[in-house]
Amino acid sequence: DAGVIQSPRHEVTEMGQEVTLRCKPISGHNSLFWYRQTMMRGLELLIYFNNNVPIDDSGMPEDRFSAKMPNASFSTLKIQPSEPRDSAVYFCASSSRLGQGGYTQYFGPGTRLTVL
Amino acid sequence: GQNIDQPTEMTATEGAIVQINCTYQTSGFNGLFWYQQHAGEAPTFLSYNVLDGLEEKGRFSSFLSRSKGYSYLLLKELQMKDSASYLCAVRVNQAGTALIFGKGTTLSVSS
Repeated sequence: DAGVIQSPRHEVTEMGQEVTLRCKPISGHNSLFWYRQTMMRGLELLIYFNNNVPIDDSGMPEDRFSAKMPNASFSTLKIQPSEPRDSAVYFCASSSRLGQGGYTQYFGPGTRLTVL
Repeated sequence: GQNIDQPTEMTATEGAIVQINCTYQTSGFNGLFWYQQHAGEAPTFLSYNVLDGLEEKGRFSSFLSRSKGYSYLLLKELQMKDSASYLCAVRVNQAGTALIFGKGTTLSVSS
């Protein structure tokens, strides 16, 4: 059974460029989460969706960040324009109401973003 | 505000027992999760507590006291492969599914 799929796994870009991160949740999961992880700040929730609807985007750092979930099997996180301080590992996770342990989240492998 | 505290680092030797503590002050509580994260990898689910008491799962156990806002993860018979970061996370909102994560405890196991 495939887990959460993220692409690309690594992204190196220059400041000012647009970056798009992609995520395919586990089939049947109805919640999807985008996190950012850095050494300084740890794992931070950016935004999450329930049934493709954004529920809480209070963690999105600024207007340069946007996320969409056009259907149950795909989501994107876009940064435009990118800045060096956006360099981090971005994780996507999904969960299901019927999952083990009450909404247990399962993480994708992450995208390591470096903005030069 | 929401606050989850864990020690930053811990060290232990193979075969030993280690306890990683987590305290939380959150606006609500609907479950506490422990995740393991090896360097360069994604967090993976270890345990879930929603009621007070101890949950045992092989070499790992997790304890919760809701009145004290306190949990611990107990790792027995430590192995080198247990060297990782351990993340404590709280589900705050019963209606929502989001988790708030602590910054993690990096455990180093030596021989």
